[in-house]
Amino acid sequence: DTAVSQTPKYLVTQMGNDKSIKCEQNLGHDTMYWYKQDSKKFLKIMFSYNNKELIINETVPNRFSPKSPDKAHLNLHINSLELGDSAVYFCASSLGDLLVNTEAFFGQGTRLTVV
Amino acid sequence: DAKTTQPTSMDCAEGRAANLPCNHSTISGNEYVYWYRQIHSQGPQYIIHGLKNNETNEMASLIITEDRKSSTLILPHATLRDTAVYYCIVRVGGGTSYGKLTFGQGTILTVHP
Repeated sequence: DTAVSQTPKYLVTQMGNDKSIKCEQNLGHDTMYWYKQDSKKFLKIMFSYNNKELIINETVPNRFSPKSPDKAHLNLHINSLELGDSAVYFCASSLGDLLVNTEAFFGQGTRLTVV
Repeated sequence: DAKTTQPTSMDCAEGRAANLPCNHSTISGNEYVYWYRQIHSQGPQYIIHGLKNNETNEMASLIITEDRKSSTLILPHATLRDTAVYYCIVRVGGGTSYGKLTFGQGTILTVHP
């Protein structure tokens, strides 16, 4: 069983479109995250949700809107896609708020290409 | 969170120990050292973490110097599947770093036959 699963794995879309990436975890974790890995391979956190409540928003443009219908899901919706949004997006989850002695489990990533 | 410095890349022969260093000279007393790795085209994977004592699990060992300003991740018998980018992360739980892992550039470890 996949612990953290993201769909789709690949997404190619045109500028200006709206798209969503789905994430589900079956670990019973209460905290979920979205990270972005750009072309230079830097991994940066975008959002963190704990029990469906937004905890971290790292100055991400308003075009990015996470939605957490329940603890096991954190979807990422992106409006008006731009070329600079092309990246690999990783979903992750953890038990608790990543205080010490907890680890984050990452999904396999969604490679988004905006053309 | 404290900043870390790692070599850009390292090589290791298959079957030998891989020793990956990390400097974190500005680490605070309540900050832990975490190691993650990212195998090509996959999501990051947790390896190990520690505060001040050396730690060992089924994947690796973590050696932290007494002054805690540096640490070494040891993969005792590296295999080709250990080829990955290894990230050393120093963080404190709670507060403004709530739930955040700050990834640097990491070390590209290449294990060769």
